[in-house]
Amino acid sequence: QTVVTQEPSLTVSPGGTVTLTCASSTGAVTSGYYPSWFQQKPGQAPRALIYSTSNKHSWTPARFSGSLLGGKAALTLSGVQPDDEAEYFCLLYSGSTWVFGGGTKLTVL
Amino acid sequence: EVQLVESGGGLVQPGGSLRLSCVASGFTFSAFWMSWVRQAPGKGLEWVANMNQGDTEKYHVDSVKGRFTISRDNAKNSLYLQMNSLRAEDTAVYFCARTQIQPLLQPFNYWGQGTLVTVSS
Repeated sequence: QTVVTQEPSLTVSPGGTVTLTCASSTGAVTSGYYPSWFQQKPGQAPRALIYSTSNKHSWTPARFSGSLLGGKAALTLSGVQPDDEAEYFCLLYSGSTWVFGGGTKLTVL
Repeated sequence: EVQLVESGGGLVQPGGSLRLSCVASGFTFSAFWMSWVRQAPGKGLEWVANMNQGDTEKYHVDSVKGRFTISRDNAKNSLYLQMNSLRAEDTAVYFCARTQIQPLLQPFNYWGQGTLVTVSS
């Protein structure tokens, strides 16, 4: 069974840039895994941010971007705002099933 | 406005059963894949099951196969999750989520607020 790995936690200063990554135990993440990213704040349902590697939903702020980087899926936040403090989950498609990463807790400090 | 409203959660003893429901509004329910995703207290997200529009394709995560069954009633704009032989490790908030296939795959682009299932004696 595929295991998807993310950084457990990251800290970034307001206005800074941070990149979160998402790795697969089966090898390099490609566009065929349809990597997606979600944001979740305490007590709330997750919110979709990025789909199919780099596509933004209509509600996704411009400072969020998705890509493939060194065999991993990546989510980059540029010009981080205090409101971006949250947990971020990646999601990969794997043979008719979906696998979430363990999540990255992003602290804005 | 897309809305997904889950219900049916609660406290159940190990080995018991529960049926979750999700009522959809604001979109053509019968045109979308639908899924259940769960989150144990203080833990990450886990995809549980999904199914296509016409009830011809269903997939479940290995840990619930043979115990949980996803289903839908397009006439009622409703998604269901029948959960049998419940275990303590099934304790979680269960979310209903919509997936869009075209023009690009957009998994779980809309979520409900979730319903809490607690399995305990």
